[in-house]
Amino acid sequence: GQQVMQIPQYQHVQEGEDFTTYCNSSTTLSNIQWYKQRPGGHPVFLIQLVKSGEVKKQKRLTFQFGEAKKNSSLHITATQTTDVGTYFCAGWNSGYSTLTFGKGTMLLVSP
Amino acid sequence: GAVVSQHPSRVICKSGTSVKIECRSLDFQATTMFWYRQFPKQSLMLMATSNEGSKATYEQGVEKDKFLINHASLTLSTLTVTSAHPEDSSFYICSARGGSGNTEAFFGQGTRLTVV
Repeated sequence: GQQVMQIPQYQHVQEGEDFTTYCNSSTTLSNIQWYKQRPGGHPVFLIQLVKSGEVKKQKRLTFQFGEAKKNSSLHITATQTTDVGTYFCAGWNSGYSTLTFGKGTMLLVSP
Repeated sequence: GAVVSQHPSRVICKSGTSVKIECRSLDFQATTMFWYRQFPKQSLMLMATSNEGSKATYEQGVEKDKFLINHASLTLSTLTVTSAHPEDSSFYICSARGGSGNTEAFFGQGTRLTVV
């Protein structure tokens, strides 16, 4: 079945440092989505990437979708303590019948 | 975004009893609902996918008779954990998506189940 791998599992940075999490799928994805889950909360949708090679930005967050539509990355510039949480990528298979999540990257930001 | 309401948010039950968790889409029709289970500091593991009016599709390793899923209407899906055991204690979370062309999944708030 479809597998989505995400690295690193955990990262601890100082406020102001950059952060990147990477996502890789075993199969070509229809699209990829990114979610953020705060401790004790539920996943909240951040963004969706559909096109091969697509790059989208949300303020300090930059999302990329690979040319082969099998990998993606989320980069946060100059992290803030409000960025703390677990970031998940999730990919839809062809046919949009299954949304598979990566294991997530837990980000901790120290002031 | 659309709102998905999940109830209850926390439940404690005795071993051997059954617990029902509801997932409602409040302002859209959810043609597909997903049920996930999340252990502490781990990812969301898909348990089953349900489409309104049809039987749920369970992931490998998930017991159909233990985790009963009903998606009777376009706004409501339920997960019933039958004969609960302490190892069923976990965070259960549902998500829903609307009709074709809408691929964003909206999540409920999750249910923390503790079986004692």
